[in-house]
Amino acid sequence: GENVEQHPSTLSVQEGDSAVIKCTYSDSASNYFPWYKQELGKRPQLIIDIRSNVGEKKDQRIAVTLNKTAKHFSLHITETQPEDSAVYFCAASLAGGGADGLTFGKGTHLIIQP
Amino acid sequence: DTAVSQTPKYLVTQMGNDKSIKCEQNLGHDTMYWYKQDSKKFLKIMFSYNNKELIINETVPNRFSPKSPDKAHLNLHINSLELGDSAVYFCASSQDLGANEQYFGPGTRLTVT
Repeated sequence: GENVEQHPSTLSVQEGDSAVIKCTYSDSASNYFPWYKQELGKRPQLIIDIRSNVGEKKDQRIAVTLNKTAKHFSLHITETQPEDSAVYFCAASLAGGGADGLTFGKGTHLIIQP
Repeated sequence: DTAVSQTPKYLVTQMGNDKSIKCEQNLGHDTMYWYKQDSKKFLKIMFSYNNKELIINETVPNRFSPKSPDKAHLNLHINSLELGDSAVYFCASSQDLGANEQYFGPGTRLTVT
């Protein structure tokens, strides 16, 4: 099955700086890579996703890049704000056949220092 | 309106008991899931349910059984609860299998004493 590694486990950045979280996956057949944000005591919520036919996607201060050859993808948050503090999860899944759901990385606790 | 709802939000019970968690989605989605989030925040798929087809993660003990009375509901029944079952359980749904956004419910925090 799929295995997703995520780094770092904790990331502390100054407000206004950029944050980068990296993930690798093992199954070359995976073709959907979402990122979820989970605030304390809340449900995971999708913030951005990318499919394997796209190399980069941006939504305001958030961007995701995908390198299919190397099987890794990254989340970039620019101009970080206090409300960006949360746990971020990367995930991978295979569209169509099978129903393995999302395989998640172990999460990155992002701390924005004022 | 809440897209994916779960009840109860908190569940405290003793070892050996049987309990159920209910999940409902009003998004018209075809696929529903159960995830377990342990004390280290690790999220792991337990079940996927699509058009009456159940896909089980092989690591899930058979004490756990999902039941779907209709497409909008996927309940989780747990027999003979153990201390290690303590976790937050999230229900989720998506339009169909695979590469689509999954919408998560608010979670049920299960504590087994």
